[in-house]
Amino acid sequence: DAGVTQTPRHEVAEKGQTIILKCEPVSGHNDLFWYRQTKIQGLELLSYFRSKSLMEDGGAFKDRFKAEMLNSSFSTLKIQPTEPKDSAVYLCASSGLGGQDEQYFGPGTRLTVL
Amino acid sequence: QQQVRQSPQSLTVWEGETAILNCSYEDSTFDYFPWYWQFPRESPALLIAIRPVSNKKEDGRFTIFFNKREKKLSLHITDSQPGDSATYFCAASGGYKLTFGTGTSLLVDP
Repeated sequence: DAGVTQTPRHEVAEKGQTIILKCEPVSGHNDLFWYRQTKIQGLELLSYFRSKSLMEDGGAFKDRFKAEMLNSSFSTLKIQPTEPKDSAVYLCASSGLGGQDEQYFGPGTRLTVL
Repeated sequence: QQQVRQSPQSLTVWEGETAILNCSYEDSTFDYFPWYWQFPRESPALLIAIRPVSNKKEDGRFTIFFNKREKKLSLHITDSQPGDSATYFCAASGGYKLTFGTGTSLLVDP
């Protein structure tokens, strides 16, 4: 079985650009999470979908971050417009039972905003 | 507001020693506590997890000790190996959402 896949693996953007990160969860998983990881803040939850329905849209991340789940096997995270402080690793994870089950993480997208 | 706290931030032990990583939480509704580990340039992966029905969970050299009354838990790694060098995240969940601590960076010196 394929694990969680994410593309691209690396992204470099100019300040103000729009970027779209992609994620394919483990087949059959109902729950999908987007996290941002930095050394200072650690792992921060951006969005959570259960069976394609958005359950949490990240509070402080709402204004420039938008996650969508177009079907059960594909999700995108749009950052618009990008700012240098958005430079981080963006991780997608999926699980069968949300926070009560093992979350399988993808390899991440390392975003650098100049 | 940090709901899951970890200490120490970093820890160095000699090969063969026992490493002890600490974690505490605030929300009494949390009922699932996994530990994830993350190696450099890799993503986090589940190491071991515990639910409050028990106060100890063992998997090989890794043991979680859980104290519900004090809202504390710890991860003990016995006979530490250089290959155990990683960042360890304590996490907690009371429903769909998993809240992560900021991690403990463990270095095992050979």
